[in-house]
Amino acid sequence: AQKVTQAQTEISVVEKEDVTLDCVYETRDTTYYLFWYKQPPSGELVFLIRRNSFDEQNEISGRYSWNFQKSTSSFNFTITASQVVDSAVYFCALGSYNQGGKLIFGQGTELSVKP
Amino acid sequence: EAGVAQSPRYKIIEKRQSVAFWCNPISGHATLYWYQQILGQGPKLLIQFQNNGVVDDSQLPKDRFSAERLKGVDSTLKIQPAKLEDSAVYLCASSLGPGTSGNTGELFFGEGSRLTVL
Repeated sequence: AQKVTQAQTEISVVEKEDVTLDCVYETRDTTYYLFWYKQPPSGELVFLIRRNSFDEQNEISGRYSWNFQKSTSSFNFTITASQVVDSAVYFCALGSYNQGGKLIFGQGTELSVKP
Repeated sequence: EAGVAQSPRYKIIEKRQSVAFWCNPISGHATLYWYQQILGQGPKLLIQFQNNGVVDDSQLPKDRFSAERLKGVDSTLKIQPAKLEDSAVYLCASSLGPGTSGNTGELFFGEGSRLTVL
């Protein structure tokens, strides 16, 4: 069975602090992919990043960075120098072609960045 | 490029009433998904269509939920009769579909339809 666990329900930081959102996944598929989505108060899920299981290179995009470690089945997301606009719920998701393309989502982490 | 369109954005009904949600996916996207997101939880897949055929409806409560995707484009999700526990946001998403050239596996989501059942 596929499963995604985001153990942190809520995180609160002060602006300019760095924050890491944890994601642990379970799958029996050998080829799979992982996503992070952001859900602002408006409700729409906004795509942030996609990672294939065969590509363990970490990625940095501006203030965002992702650490994919297959050995620990984790795909953590770090925001450097957080800003108030980063306040949202962040979801980690798992998918594979064997599952027909559907995504399995974690419970989400609500990030609150205070000025 | 137009995104995934959903309507209505908000709906309030009483239990045992019926409701329908509409979704228009991104043009050219073969795969369409309906997810249910209960407050404080992650989205949960209800049903997945590939063109106008159902790929996965294993988590759809078929005694009260139904969905169709006529002509492989627009889709409608219906709940009849509604229960209190159906209060949630219903998210529609679309993607190019597995095996399609250019498909990255990314799902594109609409803004959702928020249902409140009283």
